[in-house]
Amino acid sequence: DVKVTQSSRYLVKRTGEKVFLECVQDMDHENMFWYRQDPGLGLRLIYFSYDVKMKEKGDIPEGYSVSREKKERFSLILESASTNQTSMYLCASSLPGTGGWELFFGSGTQLSVL
Amino acid sequence: AQSVTQPDIHITVSEGASLELRCNYSYGATPYLFWYVQSPGQGLQLLLKYFSGDTLVQGIKGFEAEFKRSQSSFNLRKPSVHWSDAAEYFCAVGARTGANNLFFGTGTRLTVIP
Repeated sequence: DVKVTQSSRYLVKRTGEKVFLECVQDMDHENMFWYRQDPGLGLRLIYFSYDVKMKEKGDIPEGYSVSREKKERFSLILESASTNQTSMYLCASSLPGTGGWELFFGSGTQLSVL
Repeated sequence: AQSVTQPDIHITVSEGASLELRCNYSYGATPYLFWYVQSPGQGLQLLLKYFSGDTLVQGIKGFEAEFKRSQSSFNLRKPSVHWSDAAEYFCAVGARTGANNLFFGTGTRLTVIP
């Protein structure tokens, strides 16, 4: 089974802190994604990467950055956390091509910014 | 740009009853269509997908969905619901340009009563 592991299930941070959310996948997938999930808004794409060292902005990149130094690891960075970044963050991975439409998700990180 | 509407925020059904979850999409061309399920505390899992061809698609866990172009709909159905089906269900529409152009609906939460 494909496994996408997010380092923390729950995280509490203070306003202004730098926050790292880590995601590791074990199936050699090229594609990786970061979404945030908010009630009533569904999932919104923050950043994605189709290759190591490649990163592209999604629909809501403001206030976030990402790092992909290795194929299996995709990190989301909140440079200066704010209360409006309190949310559930979901990492996903997929194969390239038409296989890329099946996203494999991690269990999520519930981030609270106080 | 594409969009997805799931008009039902919350549905309650009795165990053994049939289920239909509604999904309407907006997209200028023939879309890729998906249903994902999120069990409590878990990430999303792909239930089924439609790319082309037969408009009735079968998925995992006994689910099926029918693509109706004239109605811009992709409703999810199951003939007999089990208690383990209680979860949140997300419809998604993809533009053929890539998996980063996958837009999720706001979700329908399913409660199953004994």
